[in-house]
Amino acid sequence: DTGVSQDPRHKITKRGQNVTFRCDPISEHNRLYWYRQTLGQGPEFLTYFQNEAQLEKSRLLSDRFSAERPKGSFSTLEIQRTEQGDSAMYLCASRRTGGGTNEKLFFGSGTQLSVL
Amino acid sequence: AQSVTQLDSHVSVSEGTPVLLRCNYSSSYSPSLFWYVQHPNKGLQLLLKYTSAATLVKGINGFEAEFKKSETSFHLTKPSAHMSDAAEYFCVVSGWSGSSASKIIFGSGTRLSIRP
Repeated sequence: DTGVSQDPRHKITKRGQNVTFRCDPISEHNRLYWYRQTLGQGPEFLTYFQNEAQLEKSRLLSDRFSAERPKGSFSTLEIQRTEQGDSAMYLCASRRTGGGTNEKLFFGSGTQLSVL
Repeated sequence: AQSVTQLDSHVSVSEGTPVLLRCNYSSSYSPSLFWYVQHPNKGLQLLLKYTSAATLVKGINGFEAEFKKSETSFHLTKPSAHMSDAAEYFCVVSGWSGSSASKIIFGSGTRLSIRP
C-alpha cells in the first residue's frame, strides 16, 4: 500500500493560465474522489469516479474544471483560465469497492494552488 | 439528499478535561458516518467510523462517538484531552445519492484548541 499520491504538491500560477493536477490512487481502489479545501473550511466535494466513469459532479465544478480518469487508474483535474478564487488545496481520495458506503477514504497530501 | 452540520466552529478545552465535538446529520438513507482529523500541514486521517454494528464507536487516540438516530447526531468525545489533540476535526456522512453514486460529504470542521 503506497498510499494516494498527488502531483504537484504546490502550484503557483498567474490568473488566466491553465493548470493540471494528477492523482494516483491506491492500486486496488476503483473509487476516486476530488475535493477542494479552502482555509478554515471542510473539504468540498467536486467529483467522483468509479473506474473510468465520472458518476457525479458538484455544481461547484464550473465549465472551467474538467476531470478525467481514462484507464480507471490515475486521474487528472484541469482548471482552465484560472481565477484567484480557484486558490485552494485540491485533495484526491480513493476507496475500495465492495464494502459499501462505510469504506474509509484514503487521502493524498493535496495540491496547493495559488493563483496570483 | 444528505448533509452534515458541525455545531461549533471552534472548541477550546483545558488539557485533561473532556472533549465534546458536536455533529448532526441528515440523510435520506441509512448513512455511514465518520470522523476525520486534520493536523496542521498533515493529511486527513480517519478517527473512527459508524457502520451500524454498534451505536458507540471507539476510535484511535481514545476518541469515541455515539450514533443517536432519534437525535440524528454523531457527537465525538474524549474523556481527557491531550495537547496533541489540537487539530481540525471533520464529521463526514456517506450514503447513496439519487444517482446511486457513493457521495461523501464533509462538515465545515471544528477547530479544537487545548489550553495547558
